[in-house]
Amino acid sequence: QKEVEQNSGPLSVPEGAIASLNCTYSDRGSQSFFWYRQYSGKSPELIMSIYSNGDKEDGRFTAQLNKASQYVSLLIRDSQPSDSATYLCAVNPVLYSGYSTLTFGKGTMLLVSP
Amino acid sequence: ETGVTQSPTHLIKTRGQQVTLRCSSQSGHNTVSWYQQALGQGPQFIFQYYREEENGRGNFPPRFSGLQFPNYSSELNVNALELDDSALYLCASSLNQGSYNEQFFGPGTRLTVL
Repeated sequence: QKEVEQNSGPLSVPEGAIASLNCTYSDRGSQSFFWYRQYSGKSPELIMSIYSNGDKEDGRFTAQLNKASQYVSLLIRDSQPSDSATYLCAVNPVLYSGYSTLTFGKGTMLLVSP
Repeated sequence: ETGVTQSPTHLIKTRGQQVTLRCSSQSGHNTVSWYQQALGQGPQFIFQYYREEENGRGNFPPRFSGLQFPNYSSELNVNALELDDSALYLCASSLNQGSYNEQFFGPGTRLTVL
């Protein structure tokens, strides 16, 4: 069973702080990794994709990938109350490398207090 | 550019009934994936359609079936509804079927089975 693990949280940070969200995955051959943000009662919204080891930055978001450690993280700088949501880590397992299915973690709830 | 749309928004059915959910993919996208998201869980892959063919399926029974039409819109059909089928059903479209393609979700259909 291919698994993606996330701490369910909640992760509480004050406004303006850096929020660090972590994810581990079991399928060593996975090639593509995604972070989605999901507000309560809404559908997931893609915020970052990463395919190579290292960091990828987009605005206040930085995704980090370490395939050797099977670890993906998302950093949110200058956290805002509007960032309060559940963050889902998703991985494309190598078994399905021919097509783009995703295995999701259960998500980490982030709470940013003013 | 139109995003992914789904209908209906909400649906209430009774056990044993059948349901059809609909999805229109984002403009230019030829691949549609369906996911089931139970409360407090990450989305689970049901199946994927690429150019009107099912090209991948998750661990769901045959009473979950689907179609994709020439305009790449898609339907998810569920027969003999069970209480555990109550969930948010998400449709995601992607540019193509490969593992590096980002998936974009529609707003979802909330199904309640009584």
